[in-house]
Amino acid sequence: GAGVSQSPSNKVTEKGKDVELRCDPISGHTALYWYRQSLGQGLEFLIYFQGNSAPDKSGLPSDRFSAERTGGSVSTLTIQRTQQEDSAVYLCATDPGGMNTEAFFGQGTRLTVV
Amino acid sequence: DQQVKQNSPSLSVQEGRISILNCDYTNSMFDYFLWYKKYPAEGPTFLISISSIKDKNEDGRFTVFLNKSAKHLSLHIVPSQPGDSAVYFCAAGGAGSYQLTFGKGTKLSVIP
Repeated sequence: GAGVSQSPSNKVTEKGKDVELRCDPISGHTALYWYRQSLGQGLEFLIYFQGNSAPDKSGLPSDRFSAERTGGSVSTLTIQRTQQEDSAVYLCATDPGGMNTEAFFGQGTRLTVV
Repeated sequence: DQQVKQNSPSLSVQEGRISILNCDYTNSMFDYFLWYKKYPAEGPTFLISISSIKDKNEDGRFTVFLNKSAKHLSLHIVPSQPGDSAVYFCAAGGAGSYQLTFGKGTKLSVIP
């Protein structure tokens, strides 16, 4: 596809269950970000992948959160033992990885933990 | 430690007036700045950018000003329209890294 694609667009899960969120980047984009936006809050950085470099995981809020990027393309964000405070819109963005480039966002996955 | 700060979570402006959204940064190595716009239920979309070699960049009704000495940038929207109502995110890049750092956003409401 032409843009960043995220799936699912909506996910409702029970507290304590694990969830996986997927991001398909724009082809050729080497940089990939995960953010989340809780209701009424701003963007919260979670994790950043750049090519084959070690990811910047400094934004992950707890060890229940992890992310992978296989083959430098598709990324999955996994939340284990979900809690109600994990409810948010999870946004993925990718960019070509060079200097002075803009990032392109997906439409987000709205996660609701009940 | 937030390196990019948008201190106003919300702003209301009358239609036709000027909207000014502010952003401050702490890392003097940032050399590229961007503004994004986000409507509800959509991902943020790129709006306008500025390189540190400039102090102003215009694109139609949107102008971004950069004050490097104050580590401050602002987005001006003139004239404001109801369709401009959205959340605006400031982002910064450079500092020896390809990574963009985003502010938390300012919600703009343009009142008809």
